[in-house]
Amino acid sequence: GAGVSQSPSNKVTEKGKDVELRCDPISGHTALYWYRQSLGQGLEFLIYFQGNSAPDKSGLPSDRFSAERTGGSVSTLTIQRTQQEDSAVYLCASSLSGSGTYEQYFGPGTRLTVT
Amino acid sequence: AQTVTQSQPEMSVQEAETVTLSCTYDTSENNYYLFWYKQPPSRQMILVIRQEAYKQQNATENRFSVNFQKAAKSFSLKISDSQLGDTAMYFCAFMGAGSYQLTFGKGTKLSVIP
Repeated sequence: GAGVSQSPSNKVTEKGKDVELRCDPISGHTALYWYRQSLGQGLEFLIYFQGNSAPDKSGLPSDRFSAERTGGSVSTLTIQRTQQEDSAVYLCASSLSGSGTYEQYFGPGTRLTVT
Repeated sequence: AQTVTQSQPEMSVQEAETVTLSCTYDTSENNYYLFWYKQPPSRQMILVIRQEAYKQQNATENRFSVNFQKAAKSFSLKISDSQLGDTAMYFCAFMGAGSYQLTFGKGTKLSVIP
């Protein structure tokens, strides 16, 4: 079956612009996660969805970052007024449910470059 | 907070040889999960192997096996009969039993040399 897909694959934007990153999880997976991978910080957890609810937004770095999930499926991560330090690969993952019992399947990521 | 440490930023191994990647972690929890993920240049993270902390037996998956030392908080990955396709970044990760959030180490870049 289809895996986790993310779009766009690469995004170059100017400082100060808003960007939207999209994640399509595996069908039937109720849990969805966003992580950020950067050279300086490594892999960081951003946010977790169970269904359409986000019980844990603790990893979002600032109020410029927001995310939503609709229909228990597609998720969008929005970054407003992008800064150069937002440049990173944004990875999405999904799992059957939110616990370590279930494997997190990752998408190929979106590489964001802020110029 | 949990931390995961991978002390080897880069390693290389000859094709068909065996290599061991190190990982240590720090936690006050008794029940948790440990993982090794592989990230090839395509960027897609792939689960290699997982270990439940309550299981004493070390996990194995074909050529991949772990040495899990709970008391020492150590979780190393052994790759036997290394293949060119094993060239990738390898990340060690931790998840508490009641959690859903993966905490990753900084990664080890493994190169398999023909």
